[in-house]
Amino acid sequence: DAKTTQPNSMESNEEEPVHLPCNHSTISGTDYIHWYRQLPSQGPEYVIHGLTSNVNNRMASLAIAEDRKSSTLILHRATLRDAAVYYCILDSGGYQKVTFGTGTKLQVIP
Amino acid sequence: NAGVTQTPKFQVLKTGQSMTLQCAQDMNHEYMSWYRQDPGMGLRLIHYSVGAGITDQGEVPNGYNVSRSTTEDFPLRLLSAAPSQTSVYFCASSYLQGAVYEQYFGPGTRLTVT
Repeated sequence: DAKTTQPNSMESNEEEPVHLPCNHSTISGTDYIHWYRQLPSQGPEYVIHGLTSNVNNRMASLAIAEDRKSSTLILHRATLRDAAVYYCILDSGGYQKVTFGTGTKLQVIP
Repeated sequence: NAGVTQTPKFQVLKTGQSMTLQCAQDMNHEYMSWYRQDPGMGLRLIHYSVGAGITDQGEVPNGYNVSRSTTEDFPLRLLSAAPSQTSVYFCASSYLQGAVYEQYFGPGTRLTVT
């Protein structure tokens, strides 16, 4: 299975943009890139997903490199409620093949 | 919609005891799964189900049983609890949206085995 690499932790100031990177150099052509986040003491929640093109939704934007070997989750204006662990996941096309790594712990500083 | 619900929220077991963690969803999702999350680690898939009557093993299935008699419910049974099963357990349901599965997670059950 293709793996992802994320920094263990990042900090951001409140109300500033946050760019969370993810490397997936062994991604295959049909792998979708998903992002989930886990707020303290809660289950993970879906954030966004994409295949090749950049994607936007109400929560965030996903920028995918042209060679697809990396992607960046963009939170346009971090709030204290965005403090969470963010997981970058590759979906290899089978339900049982989605693997959650250790993610990036985002701290938002007031 | 209540989404995905899990009971109990907390549980303490002695080694060798058995118990069932309950999971229910009211979104009519076909797919359901169980994960465990150990301190400082990501989520690992225990078992999953692609529909009523169909279950399969994930990454770490040993010591756990599941069944899926209805679309709504997906209980996880610990047959003989061991300290290594101390963890937080998350149930998730999902549906196929186009070519990808969007998962909805429950709030978790924190299990301690002494």
